[in-house]
Amino acid sequence: QKEVEQNSGPLSVPEGAIASLNCTYSDRGSQSFFWYRQYSGKSPELIMFIYSNGDKEDGRFTAQLNKASQYVSLLIRDSQPSDSATYLCAVNYPTGNQFYFGTGTSLTVIP
Amino acid sequence: DTGVSQDPRHKITKRGQNVTFRCDPISEHNRLYWYRQTLGQGPEFLTYFQNEAQLEKSRLLSDRFSAERPKGSFSTLEIQRTEQGDSAMYLCASSSRQGAGNEQFFGPGTRLTVL
Repeated sequence: QKEVEQNSGPLSVPEGAIASLNCTYSDRGSQSFFWYRQYSGKSPELIMFIYSNGDKEDGRFTAQLNKASQYVSLLIRDSQPSDSATYLCAVNYPTGNQFYFGTGTSLTVIP
Repeated sequence: DTGVSQDPRHKITKRGQNVTFRCDPISEHNRLYWYRQTLGQGPEFLTYFQNEAQLEKSRLLSDRFSAERPKGSFSTLEIQRTEQGDSAMYLCASSSRQGAGNEQFFGPGTRLTVL
């Protein structure tokens, strides 16, 4: 069974700090990994994806992937109150077209 | 607006009624996905289309659910004989390529409430 695990939180960080969000997955065949942000009552919004081991940076966001440990993380630098949302980790497998989502981590950035 | 659109945004229905939702993907995207999301959970995969072909369907999807994408453009999701447990946000997403980087873009969702 393919599982994607995230700490549900809530995670609270002060404004300007680094927020670290973590995700583990069960299937070593996983190929692509995605981070989505979801505000309450809204649909998920793509932040970034990663498929190679290492880091990938996009503005204040950095995704980190470690396939050996089956672990993917998202770092948000200089956190802003507008970053307060639920962050969803999603995993795609090459053998199919299904995406598996974690339950999300709720982040609150305190002004 | 060139994003994914869904209609209606909200639907309230009585138990036992049939409902149909529509999704219009980003125009150049040939892949279309339906998900269901309940409170506190991540989106749950329902079905996937590549062009007009329905290539995957979740085993969790009951026979009361059916989806179509007749011309490879917009898609419809129908729920027959709705039950209270069907109350959820129904999300549509589209993408343009397979494999690494197959990023999906979501529509605003249709929130279904079954009374």
